[in-house]
Amino acid sequence: RKEVEQDPGPFNVPEGATVAFNCTYSNSASQSFFWYRQDCRKEPKLLMSVYSSGNEDGRFTAQLNRASQYISLLIRDSKLSDSATYLCVVGETGGFKTIFGAGTRLFVKA
Amino acid sequence: SQTIHQWPATLVQPVGSPLSLECTVEGTSNPNLYWYRQAAGRGLQLLFYSVGIGQISSEVPQNLSASRPQDRQFILSSKKLLLSDSGFYLCAWGRSNQPQHFGDGTRLSIL
Repeated sequence: RKEVEQDPGPFNVPEGATVAFNCTYSNSASQSFFWYRQDCRKEPKLLMSVYSSGNEDGRFTAQLNRASQYISLLIRDSKLSDSATYLCVVGETGGFKTIFGAGTRLFVKA
Repeated sequence: SQTIHQWPATLVQPVGSPLSLECTVEGTSNPNLYWYRQAAGRGLQLLFYSVGIGQISSEVPQNLSASRPQDRQFILSSKKLLLSDSGFYLCAWGRSNQPQHFGDGTRLSIL
């Protein structure tokens, strides 16, 4: 089983749609969780951290479910500019080892 | 503001040749520095991280090495490249235990 697993997609959605991605992780001791965004052939950029209580940043909402060992990202009112690959990242306790998922590709169409 | 520079942007090297990729950070001091590799269709794999000058931790055994000769300089090297070393190499820095800012990356092709 991969340490961090994501549905590779692609997710094809119309503008204005709501789309959600899930990511599962295998290490129950993992302590830090993040979503990154990566545009085609570009470097990843930190989108948001994921907190136990869940957190929201504008149209983006991230949730953590420790019992089931998954994190989610919800994007509301999708924009064309949201088209990208979304990377789930899980970090170990107190260490620097962060595991990146392979990413979920999103295409938002007019 | 902080910036991170990584070069070259693309590199084509023959098997068995040496490698040196350089990364520098500006606008901050004592950053945590990271080297990642991203193979096609796969997630980023942490290769090395450094919490200070001369302090290098390796995550994956391989024919690559890293050095941090100065606070804001991180170098990825190899004495003899393998075909499997092809990929997209990313340098990153951060203040906590995860990378917050990535360089533009180096696309390395081994022939």
